[in-house]
Amino acid sequence: QKEVEQDPGPLSVPEGAIVSLNCTYSNSAFQYFMWYRQYSRKGPELLMYTYSSGNKEDGRFTAQVDKSSKYISLFIRDSQPSDSATYLCAMTYSGNTGKLIFGQGTTLQVKP
Amino acid sequence: GAVVSQHPSRVICKSGTSVKIECRSLDFQATTMFWYRQFPKKSLMLMATSNEGSKATYEQGVEKDKFLINHASLTLSTLTVTSAHPEDSSFYICSARTSGRGEQFFGPGTRLTVL
Repeated sequence: QKEVEQDPGPLSVPEGAIVSLNCTYSNSAFQYFMWYRQYSRKGPELLMYTYSSGNKEDGRFTAQVDKSSKYISLFIRDSQPSDSATYLCAMTYSGNTGKLIFGQGTTLQVKP
Repeated sequence: GAVVSQHPSRVICKSGTSVKIECRSLDFQATTMFWYRQFPKKSLMLMATSNEGSKATYEQGVEKDKFLINHASLTLSTLTVTSAHPEDSSFYICSARTSGRGEQFFGPGTRLTVL
């Protein structure tokens, strides 16, 4: 079993839809949770960084962490074609020298 | 967010030559930098962790003599692919970790093609 599981998709939605991306994890030591967006042939871009259970909102993006269920989510409201990319969840814990454990990434396509 | 640059963005070289890739944190100091390799449609594979002023820590299966990493300052780490072979062709990405919250910011990547 992988430490972090993420459905690779692809996920296709119409423009304006609410997108829900999810990751589950098995290691209860994980404390810090990140979502990255990666366009083709580019480096990942940090979208959200959270370290406690609950919700964190930034513009059209909401990150949700449920440590009791070992489950994190990223919601994208009013999705746009420019949101079409691969979304990677990543997590780590203190004492892990900052090494990130990544999910497989979910490919999202937002159709106009 | 913080900015990380990589140079070059793309390089084509002949088999047997060495290639150096630079990773710089432009607006913050990074005590730790990471080097990743990414294959098409795959997630990132960590190659090594680079700490300023000390030897890099390589992941299992990564040849340290082939992938030389130097972290000479708090803003610069370099990856040198020595005696490159076609199977080393890949997308190489670095990241730099901030102190404090420990967020990681990635560079734009370097596409290496070995002929």
